[in-house]
Amino acid sequence: QQQVKQSPQSLIVQKGGISIINCAYENTAFDYFPWYQQFPGKGPALLIAIRPDVSEKKEGRFTISFNKSAKQFSLHIMDSQPGDSATYFCAAPRAGKSTFGDGTTLTVKP
Amino acid sequence: DAGVIQSPRHEVTEMGQEVTLRCKPISGHNSLFWYRQTMMRGLELLIYFNNNVPIDDSGMPEDRFSAKMPNASFSTLKIQPSEPRDSAVYFCASRTSGSITGELFFGEGSRLTVL
Repeated sequence: QQQVKQSPQSLIVQKGGISIINCAYENTAFDYFPWYQQFPGKGPALLIAIRPDVSEKKEGRFTISFNKSAKQFSLHIMDSQPGDSATYFCAAPRAGKSTFGDGTTLTVKP
Repeated sequence: DAGVIQSPRHEVTEMGQEVTLRCKPISGHNSLFWYRQTMMRGLELLIYFNNNVPIDDSGMPEDRFSAKMPNASFSTLKIQPSEPRDSAVYFCASRTSGSITGELFFGEGSRLTVL
């Protein structure tokens, strides 16, 4: 049973544009809402995470927005750069383990 | 500071052979996870350990898969006998129970190809 549904599956953005990836969750009892970033040939790495009692968190060009009533959280990448080209996963940590979304492949064109 | 170390990085084997994947978690981390990544199924949690004890193995596909963690610094994932559908990238990840975000630290993965 998938607990998080991620969209879109792939995204192409021009350099300097805004990339937006969305994640919808089914269960409300998650501990945290993280986004992971994965480059080819590497394992995923935590990019940014937000607590369920916070509506927005910003770290540099990356922002998480959390909408508790809609059961959604999204990742915004401002001023997208070619180096941001990677696969992004939302995750749902609960009871010690994490379920991942299907991933979004982001391509930023120069 | 060394991260999660996995070996081998690449493994090519023939159907029916035994495959053993190895993982050394980050020192001080007390939880260890094995994930499998494929195009079709994404990142799937296979099993996780807490303080060397298997807590949840509900993601292990079938009896051909087994995992052990004999001590805090070593874990293995074994497939016997291997089948072509086991071809995937297998990731080991670790974390500390003290992490507020539950951040997982992943290794670079073991890419398995079963012919």
